Amino acid sequence: DAMVIQNPRYQVTQFGKPVTLSCSQTLNHNVMYWYQQKSSQAPKLLFHYYDKDFNNEADTPDNFQSRRPNTSFCFLDIRSPGLGDAAMYLCATSNPANRGKLFFGSGTQLSVL
Amino acid sequence: EDKVVQSPLSLVVHEGDTVTLNCSYEVTNFRSLLWYKQEKKAPTFLFMLTSSGIEKKSGRLSSILDKKELFSILNITATQTGDSAVYLCAVSIIQGAQKLVFGQGTRLTINP
Repeated sequence: DAMVIQNPRYQVTQFGKPVTLSCSQTLNHNVMYWYQQKSSQAPKLLFHYYDKDFNNEADTPDNFQSRRPNTSFCFLDIRSPGLGDAAMYLCATSNPANRGKLFFGSGTQLSVL
Repeated sequence: EDKVVQSPLSLVVHEGDTVTLNCSYEVTNFRSLLWYKQEKKAPTFLFMLTSSGIEKKSGRLSSILDKKELFSILNITATQTGDSAVYLCAVSIIQGAQKLVFGQGTRLTINP
């Protein structure tokens, strides 16, 4: 089945230790998104790629970076995680034809010790 | 600033009750409004609404959009404990690529 896959499901890192979260898709969608969702809050868009074009949200901290080496894969790099970065990280994809519907992966729950 | 507001933030009812969840929005470049259900994992898609006044139905769930008054409602009839979840309303906007702006969610608890 075509889908969006995130690995790992749970990630534990240490304060200040770089961490990378991964996302892959078999939907062949143009757009890939990274959302951050903290406990009991709405998902917050960090950035998205439209094909190879990277679009950063204005309030996304510099600590967060992303790479999209090809259509299928997208990575979220957190250079120096702080305690406040503990959250669920959601990857999603879409195509213009979807009229706004996003297809979400199962998420990666990040803990920072 | 694009904004989506949901109410109530939390709702506790008994199994069998009917509930109505509300979502209002103020955005530029509106494309569609979506409802998602979230149970401790990624959101799962429920409905997408693009036109006013046309009710979407799926079993006990239904939703409608009013583009003049800028709101939507999600109805759940004959609630079951499995309906307990956070219900997220999101509006799709076009800023280059399309993006979703989420509301803060309504936490629905169904007690047996």
